[in-house]
Amino acid sequence: KNQVEQSPQSLIILEGKNCTLQCNYTVSPFSNLRWYKQDTGRGPVSLTIMTFSENTKSNGRYTATLDADTKQSSLHITASQLSDSASYICVVSAQGSGNTGKLIFGQGTTLQVKP
Amino acid sequence: KAGVTQTPRYLIKTRGQQVTLSCSPISGHRSVSWYQQTPGQGLQFLFEYFSETQRNKGNFPGRFSGRQFSNSRSEMNVSTLELGDSALYLCASSRDRGRHEQYFGPGTRLTVT
Repeated sequence: KNQVEQSPQSLIILEGKNCTLQCNYTVSPFSNLRWYKQDTGRGPVSLTIMTFSENTKSNGRYTATLDADTKQSSLHITASQLSDSASYICVVSAQGSGNTGKLIFGQGTTLQVKP
Repeated sequence: KAGVTQTPRYLIKTRGQQVTLSCSPISGHRSVSWYQQTPGQGLQFLFEYFSETQRNKGNFPGRFSGRQFSNSRSEMNVSTLELGDSALYLCASSRDRGRHEQYFGPGTRLTVT
């Protein structure tokens, strides 16, 4: 069964600290993996998209890694800011299904950054 | 460049009624997808439209339907509303199908009483 599991479910860190969010998937055949940031009351905003051949992708203070062999991805946030407080969603797309035909969503990790 | 817009932003309906939500994609984007987001289930894919044709559909009952117009604007309709349909409905657009970036709208918050 195609599944995407994220951990931890929630996380509280102090401003300026780093953190890493995890995403494990069992989607097959794999096409790409996306990380989204969703602020409360807003739609998700894409942070990164990675295909099978990409191991690392950065977007400012956000760095995503992908290990296609172990089917794991992580999102590392460096020098956290209060504005990083949000829900982070991992989404995996199955191959051959267009843009959204077989998108499997994780439940998200809620990050709270405290001053 | 204007982002994805959704109307209305908030809606309250009673059980048994029907509702229509609207989504205007970013100019030049031809693919529109709809999602339902609830605290318990998270984000779930409803359907995708491209060139006025439904290309993919998620696991939702037939009460959920949609369409896309020639200008790429899209509507989704939910008939015979149930309490469990209360959710945030998100629309996302992308330039084309495939590995293109998706841009989400702010969503429509539907409450069914």
